[in-house]
Amino acid sequence: NAGVTQTPKFQVLKTGQSMTLQCAQDMNHEYMSWYRQDPGMGLRLIHYSVGAGITDQGEVPNGYNVSRSTTEDFPLRLLSAAPSQTSVYFCASSYGPEAFFGQGTRLTVV
Amino acid sequence: GENVEQHPSTLSVQEGDSAVIKCTYSDSASNYFPWYKQELGKRPQLIIDIRSNVGEKKDQRIAVTLNKTAKHFSLHITETQPEDSAVYFCAASRGARQLTFGSGTQLTVLP
Repeated sequence: NAGVTQTPKFQVLKTGQSMTLQCAQDMNHEYMSWYRQDPGMGLRLIHYSVGAGITDQGEVPNGYNVSRSTTEDFPLRLLSAAPSQTSVYFCASSYGPEAFFGQGTRLTVV
Repeated sequence: GENVEQHPSTLSVQEGDSAVIKCTYSDSASNYFPWYKQELGKRPQLIIDIRSNVGEKKDQRIAVTLNKTAKHFSLHITETQPEDSAVYFCAASRGARQLTFGSGTQLTVLP
């Protein structure tokens, strides 16, 4: 039981490049979400999904897309990376009240 | 939407002393208030949570109190130890799903 797995752990992108952050969970959780963590700002919700085929925007969705084709996977796509998207990204899943976080992806956009 | 404010941003205490971190929230409909601990370079992990129908909850050296009228809740850590040093985040939500986090408190326990 691996829990929530994120890949990659580190990534450097050039401005304008696109990429996908992967998130997979093996706990059969319906609810999954993506947060970004910036110094002094806590974790801010980007997008979330309440089940396969259903996604919605969080607090800071601009510049990001998500899809949920299976219960297990919830990838986050950066369409055209900008320096403002330099951050640590956490994926989380939950069934009940407790959110289980992945180990994070540290993204730097230069 | 919900807004959560957390204070202080940094807190240093002597080993064995108590630490208190406070949060306020804006949405009176919020009913779930978890606290997460994040060690350096690690993922956030839930340490304690409280629902709006309870005023206080304890788990060994940690406790959380909730004042619904004033819309604030607090984390109390007693007999602090070096391994308590970490960043602590409060959060609030309706129904334990879309969490809104505070900005975090860096707790340092001095030997």
